[in-house]
Amino acid sequence: DAGVIQSPRHEVTEMGQEVTLRCKPISGHNSLFWYRQTMMRGLELLIYFNNNVPIDDSGMPEDRFSAKMPNASFSTLKIQPSEPRDSAVYFCASRTQGVPNTEAFFGQGTRLTVV
Amino acid sequence: GENVEQHPSTLSVQEGDSAVIKCTYSDSASNYFPWYKQELGKRPQLIIDIRSNVGEKKDQRIAVTLNKTAKHFSLHITETQPEDSAVYFCAARGYTGRRALTFGSGTRLQVQP
Repeated sequence: DAGVIQSPRHEVTEMGQEVTLRCKPISGHNSLFWYRQTMMRGLELLIYFNNNVPIDDSGMPEDRFSAKMPNASFSTLKIQPSEPRDSAVYFCASRTQGVPNTEAFFGQGTRLTVV
Repeated sequence: GENVEQHPSTLSVQEGDSAVIKCTYSDSASNYFPWYKQELGKRPQLIIDIRSNVGEKKDQRIAVTLNKTAKHFSLHITETQPEDSAVYFCAARGYTGRRALTFGSGTRLQVQP
């Protein structure tokens, strides 16, 4: 298995532009998580899905952020419009929910820079 | 919700010495406590985890202890090596409610050769 796959690995965009980050979870995993990592705030949970359904989006910072999971093998995190303070590394992770205490596997992350 | 605090934020040890990182959590319903290692520019990767029905777990040079009563858990690395240098994150997750990991703030470990 190739693991959790994220794209792009790096994204540089201008303030005000729309940014879409993509994630393909590990096949068979039914929980998917989006985390944001910054020096100041560490690893923060933005949103997570179980069986493609958003369960907890309380970590989504503003209405500018939205996430979707149209099927079990694909999720997107969209920022519109982007701002410089959105610059961070965004990680997607997946695991098997329903099997107690299994680990979450992280993708390689997308480093977003908004200028 | 869950709150995880981690100390110290930075830790420097000599090669061969031991390193200890401590975390506390707030939600008594949490029952899964993994530790992740993140090297510079890389993704977090699980190095060891412990369930709430176990007080201690060891894997070669790495061990984790859990005190449910006090709601704290610790990572112990013995005979440290330069390749142990990284940022280490503790995390906690419950079986009910928010079933996503809440991470500590991380500890940057530097092993001096």
